[in-house]
Amino acid sequence: EIVMTQSPATLSVSPGERATLSCRASQSISSSLAWYQQKPGQAPRLLIYGASTRATGIPARFSGSGSGTEFTLTISSLQSEDFAVYYCQHYKNWPPLTFGGGTKVEIK
Amino acid sequence: EVQLLESGGALVQPGGSLRLSCVASGFTFNSYAMSWVRQAPGKGLEWVSATSNTGISTYYADSVKGRFTISRDNSKNILYLQMNSLRVEDTAVYYCAKDISSGWFDPWGQGTLVTVSS
Repeated sequence: EIVMTQSPATLSVSPGERATLSCRASQSISSSLAWYQQKPGQAPRLLIYGASTRATGIPARFSGSGSGTEFTLTISSLQSEDFAVYYCQHYKNWPPLTFGGGTKVEIK
Repeated sequence: EVQLLESGGALVQPGGSLRLSCVASGFTFNSYAMSWVRQAPGKGLEWVSATSNTGISTYYADSVKGRFTISRDNSKNILYLQMNSLRVEDTAVYYCAKDISSGWFDPWGQGTLVTVSS
């Protein structure tokens, strides 16, 4: 099973600042990585797939990078609606599909 | 607009059974694999099960293998999850999700809450 590890668990950021979230895979997953955003009481929403491709309707301030075992989600200038929990998920050689533990982005 | 609407969540005793449904609309249901993903209260996401577009191939997390069964009715655009021998640790919101391409999901339904407690 591929283990996904996200860091930090909580990220405190001021509106307008840049946020950098990390995700590490326990073995190489090439670019088979997705990022999701989840707000309280809502279902997850796809942000990024293929490690770096934005999903339809996702603002350009969200960007993904990385390959192999190290990945990053960057939010260039945090807006109020971006405060949420973010999850990474691999889809290489499954089952099982696995998610990281999440990073909560909170207002500083 | 693609929509996924889950139902069937309830309070059930340990050892009991429950069947969840997910009604899909707005896309060609029989062209896409589908999955169930759950989220225990205050916790992260856990993939539970997946089925191919035809329903012929099915996959399960080890935590539910032998107890849960995923199926689909492509004539009715409905995805199911039959859950037997439920345990307290199965308590979660269960989401159905459309598999875009071999394991990533868009969109997700709003979820249905399953509570296993005596």
